[in-house]
Formats: sequence, C-alpha cells, structure tokens
Amino acid sequence: AQKITQTQPGMFVQEKEAVTLDCTYDTSDPSYGLFWYKQPSSGEMIFLIYQGSYDQQNATEGRYSLNFQKARKSANLVISASQLGDSAMYFCAMREGRRGNEKLTFGTGTRLTIIP
Amino acid sequence: DSGVTQTPKHLITATGQRVTLRCSPRSGDLSVYWYQQSLDQGLQFLIQYYNGEERAKGNILERFSAQQFPDLHSELNLSSLELGDSALYFCASSVVDLSDPANYGYTFGSGTRLTVV
Repeated sequence: AQKITQTQPGMFVQEKEAVTLDCTYDTSDPSYGLFWYKQPSSGEMIFLIYQGSYDQQNATEGRYSLNFQKARKSANLVISASQLGDSAMYFCAMREGRRGNEKLTFGTGTRLTIIP
Repeated sequence: DSGVTQTPKHLITATGQRVTLRCSPRSGDLSVYWYQQSLDQGLQFLIQYYNGEERAKGNILERFSAQQFPDLHSELNLSSLELGDSALYFCASSVVDLSDPANYGYTFGSGTRLTVV
C-alpha cells in the first residue's frame, strides 16, 4: 500500500486563483509529521510547510496553508493567490519513527502550472 | 544556500564505471539521507545514516553503497553504472526546529545530476 498518495499528476490554474493540492497518507504510527516540498524546474527541493500529527491547528506559512484532516488522513496544501512562480512539482512527504531512526516517504508529486 | 552541500553538481560517465557522490550536512545535523529521483519520478529513499551508523535502507541496489564519516559528511558510491542509474541524487540532513522540538524537518542539498552514457 502506498504510504503517501497524490492523486493529481498535473494541474492547471489561472494566476491569482487559489489552488488545492491533494495528499492522503497511511500510517499506524501515532507520532508523525507531514511536509510539502516544491521542486521548480531547476531541480532543488524547497521546504514549504510542516504539520505535526499532534498539532491542533492547521499550519500556515505565508500563502501556503495545510488543510490537515487527521481522521481522513489527508494533508492538502492550499496555495492562495497563485503566482507564475508557483509553477513547479509539489511533493507531499511523511515522516514516521523516532528521531535518528525515522523514515521520510514521498508521494509521486503533482505538477502545477499557473496560467497567466 | 540550504546549508547542505553536494558535489559534484553534474556528472557524466560511461556505463560500467564507478562514481562517488559527496554530501556535507548542515552544521550540527547528525542524520544524512540519500534519495534518487529518476526522470518524472518521485523521490526514492536509498539509505540513512545517523552519526556514522547506518539506520535505514530503502530501495538501494547492491551496486550502490554509502558511508558517513566521523566529520559527518557522507559519500554515496555507485558502481557498475547502467543507463538506468541516470538520475538526480539528493542528500538531505535533518534539522531540529528549536522553537518546536517535535519538528525535525529535512533540508535538501541541490542534488547531483548523474548522466550515464
């Protein structure tokens, strides 16, 4: 079974609109962390946002927010007021295990294209 | 600059050859992770080291090996290279957010793009 599932291989969104990138996860570990990374065409992996499994509130970082629904095991990334520079691959990832012996598993990614 | 240094940035080599990729983690980070990203693929976990010890293995081929040295830098050795080994290889080190110790995230290097011809 896939640990991290991203069901949208590609998305096209009009500039200035909000966009939601879906991510569902599967774990039996009560303590885990969820991450979103952006990978532009230049290739580097850029950390966007983090949500811990015990966090009561949804994480926010500027235009990025994470819609964390624990019971549904989903951790969708919301980008508000999209910009042309948001065009990139976006990866959802999950960390399980204790520090020093943890695993970080990535989804297959969503390619987001912002249309002017 | 993320603080994680990978060298070289680009590498072109022939099939059957052996190469070594190097990673220096952020200062103070004890864990190093190696990932492989093939064309249009997600990141596949290869191996993790923590303070010099191997802690976890993913989908790492027997032709590949890694180690972490006392100064915490790590090397990934790829031997008997095949065309299918062409990929972007990332190193990451884990980071502790001092304002939230439960948040230990990961900082990635800029990657080494390996092309096997």
